[in-house]
Amino acid sequence: AQTVTQSQPEMSVQEAETVTLSCTYDTSENNYYLFWYKQPPSRQMILVIRQEAYKQQNATENRFSVNFQKAAKSFSLKISDSQLGDTAMYFCAFMKQGGGSNYKLTFGKGTLLTVNP
Amino acid sequence: EAQVTQNPRYLITVTGKKLTVTCSQNMNHEYMSWYRQDPGLGLRQIYYSMNVEVTDKGDVPEGYKVSRKEKRNFPLILESPSPNQTSLYFCASSLSLNSYTEAFFGQGTRLTVV
Repeated sequence: AQTVTQSQPEMSVQEAETVTLSCTYDTSENNYYLFWYKQPPSRQMILVIRQEAYKQQNATENRFSVNFQKAAKSFSLKISDSQLGDTAMYFCAFMKQGGGSNYKLTFGKGTLLTVNP
Repeated sequence: EAQVTQNPRYLITVTGKKLTVTCSQNMNHEYMSWYRQDPGLGLRQIYYSMNVEVTDKGDVPEGYKVSRKEKRNFPLILESPSPNQTSLYFCASSLSLNSYTEAFFGQGTRLTVV
């Protein structure tokens, strides 16, 4: 079974600064996907960024980038130029590739990020 | 507009009173799933469905039932709700089992069982 660990329950950052959210995972699989989801106060689950394990290059989406270390099983999210609208709960998630019968997302417990003006 | 629609968004009920949370998607997705979100636990999968009439248990299925009679609908049924089922529930769907496609989430249902 896979596990996902987010060791920072809460974090805060000043507007326009950079913040990094940590995520580690444990799996015996070689092919998988990793995700960061954002959940603002509206409760909507929003996909921020996705990384395929077979890709060495780190994924980036505008101000969001990841540091994927496959050997260390680490998948951190960096948010640059933080904005007030980035205030949300962030979840790290894992999904086995070629899921067989279940494309289950395994989530971490979440990190509540607050961006201060 | 492509979307996953859950109803109701909020529900307060009493212990033992059967309830159904509906989930419908308009994207012809094969795969649908239910998760519950609890503070400090993240989201955990309750049930999933690969296609019509094909459902299976996730990690926390106790106290829940599902059905998949039509491709677009995947209701979550609580036959006899208990206070420990007070939670935020999400339905999700994705297109194909054969390759990765993004999971689309509903807007969540906040359930309180008293």
